[in-house]
Parts: sequence; C-alpha cells; structure tokens
Amino acid sequence: ETGVTQSPTHLIKTRGQQVTLRCSSQSGHNTVSWYQQALGQGPQFIFQYYREEENGRGNFPPRFSGLQFPNYSSELNVNALELDDSALYLCASSLQGTYGYTFGSGTRLTVV
Amino acid sequence: DAKTTQPPSMDCAEGRAANLPCNHSTISGNEYVYWYRQIHSQGPQYIIHGLKNNETNEMASLIITEDRKSSTLILPHATLRDTAVYYCIALPIQGGSEKLVFGKGTKLTVNP
Repeated sequence: ETGVTQSPTHLIKTRGQQVTLRCSSQSGHNTVSWYQQALGQGPQFIFQYYREEENGRGNFPPRFSGLQFPNYSSELNVNALELDDSALYLCASSLQGTYGYTFGSGTRLTVV
Repeated sequence: DAKTTQPPSMDCAEGRAANLPCNHSTISGNEYVYWYRQIHSQGPQYIIHGLKNNETNEMASLIITEDRKSSTLILPHATLRDTAVYYCIALPIQGGSEKLVFGKGTKLTVNP
C-alpha cells in the first residue's frame, strides 16, 4: 500500500502571496487532516476533511482553506501569507472512525 | 490544550532500554493513551496505544499505571534510529475523527 505523499517538499513564498499545498492520501483512507508545525513545536491541527467537506477545524483564520477530492486527495490553500505562516505543513490520512493516522513527510513553507 | 505532560528531553545509550514517561492525571476513563514519534524531517509515526492493560508490539511496550494517571513507553533496545521526539496523546474511545493534540513531546537522543 502507498503511504501519504505531499508536494512540494519545500517552498519559498513572499508575504502577501497565496500558496497551495497538495496531499495524496494512503490507499484505503477516506479522511485527510492538515497540521502546521512551527520550529520547535508540536504539530497544530488546522482542519480535517471527510466526504469532501470540512469536518472539524482548529484555531486558524479563514485564509487557511482546503479541499478534498473524490479520490480523497486534498489541498491546503493559504491566502495573504504572513511571515508567521513559515512552518512545516503536515498531511495525515486515516479511515473515518479510526485513529490509524498516516502522516506524510510534510511541506516546508518559508515566507519571506 | 494537551492533557499530557512529558519531560522535554532524555538521553539513552544505544542498546539499552529507553523508558519515556508521560503524565496524564486528568485523562478520563474513556480515553486511550496514544504514542507517536517524529524523526527529524519526517511526519509523526504511530507507535502504540492502550487503555488499561499493558500493550506490546514490534516497536515498543506501553505500561499504564493502575490508576491510569501515568504511563511509560519502553523501547527495549534503543538504536540510533530511535532518536526522535516522542509524543503522548489522549484520544477518546468513541470517535476516530478527533484531532491529535500534540504537546512539545520528549526529545529522545540515543547515544552510541
């Protein structure tokens, strides 16, 4: 079975720009969650998608948005980038109703 | 906020057992104790989980105190590849779509 794949692995953006991060979920999983991990901190929950709808959201502003596609892959979009958005963005897939989360290796976003 | 507390760092000699403690004195009877670890530049990886009884799998053992206020993750023969940040997380039994609430975890360094 394939694991979770995230792209790109690294990205540099300018403050005020918009960014889209992508995630392919593990085979057999139907739920995708996104986490933000600042340097030296644990991952922080952004939101989760199930059946192509947002199914829970953490304490993040609306400029953080997402999509889930029929094949269960997902995108994370961040508008009006701020310097503090610089972080590792992690995607995790799972089967709804279970805690078997599989994480990708993340996308390292740097905002300058 | 995380319901668990862990020491910020620990050291262990290669080949020896690594015992990582976690305090979860406010955990409810309906919450599992889950352990994840994050090796540098990778996403978190599931290790083991338990409710009341001690658990063992190919990666580790989990010892939960009878009052469930604390637990210990045991890596029986630590290797250099076990150097990582280890997270202890409480998750409700009924659910499966819950977000993972990561604290800062314990940075385990396995020394040669």
